[in-house]
Amino acid sequence: DSGVTQTPKHLITATGQRVTLRCSPRSGDLSVYWYQQSLDQGLQFLIQYYNGEERAKGNILERFSAQQFPDLHSELNLSSLELGDSALYFCASSADPLTPRTDTQYFGPGTRLTVL
Amino acid sequence: GEDVEQSLFLSVREGDSSVINCTYTDSSSTYLYWYKQEPGAGLQLLTYIFSNMDMKQDQRLTVLLNKKDKHLSLRIADTQTGDSAIYFCAESMGGYNKLIFGAGTRLAVHP
Repeated sequence: DSGVTQTPKHLITATGQRVTLRCSPRSGDLSVYWYQQSLDQGLQFLIQYYNGEERAKGNILERFSAQQFPDLHSELNLSSLELGDSALYFCASSADPLTPRTDTQYFGPGTRLTVL
Repeated sequence: GEDVEQSLFLSVREGDSSVINCTYTDSSSTYLYWYKQEPGAGLQLLTYIFSNMDMKQDQRLTVLLNKKDKHLSLRIADTQTGDSAIYFCAESMGGYNKLIFGAGTRLAVHP
């Protein structure tokens, strides 16, 4: 158990809908990262937050957005869902991305999203 | 550009050593990681190595880093059936930078 929690574990929805995925980082970790794992694209970085502020952006679609709250939990919002958005979405956390040896990312169990 | 490559499949006999290889392209990478993913599970951090190291050993795991060739390997000694999983190599430049993952190597351990 990495200490990172994600809910829900599974999500099944229809095209055009909107969903919210939730992540709670390890106790004391300030940074949260979101990744998408799909069969065709592999593991892709989406976005990173540090202490409530967006710090880095990857291959995140405009239909997707995220935020990190004052209690450091994070939510990833996916809207206007398409079949191709079906994937496993991982959240990871690290203590301090700017300090060596504390920036190692620990992953949650993931949320499996199925869009029908 | 950023790219991490791994062979997709490795089959070994129980008790033998497994060696999973990875090549990366970004010479400025400062940290290199190995993660393990079991079926239906998340990514478990196995070990990591900093770019100023050549080798790191942790129980049955040995990581070798050849910076000149940008080659990273993970050796698992005395491979067990519980080691069957997908192993991902990942590079990071540290700081706020993302992890760049390889496609993963599926390790199958047979009796």
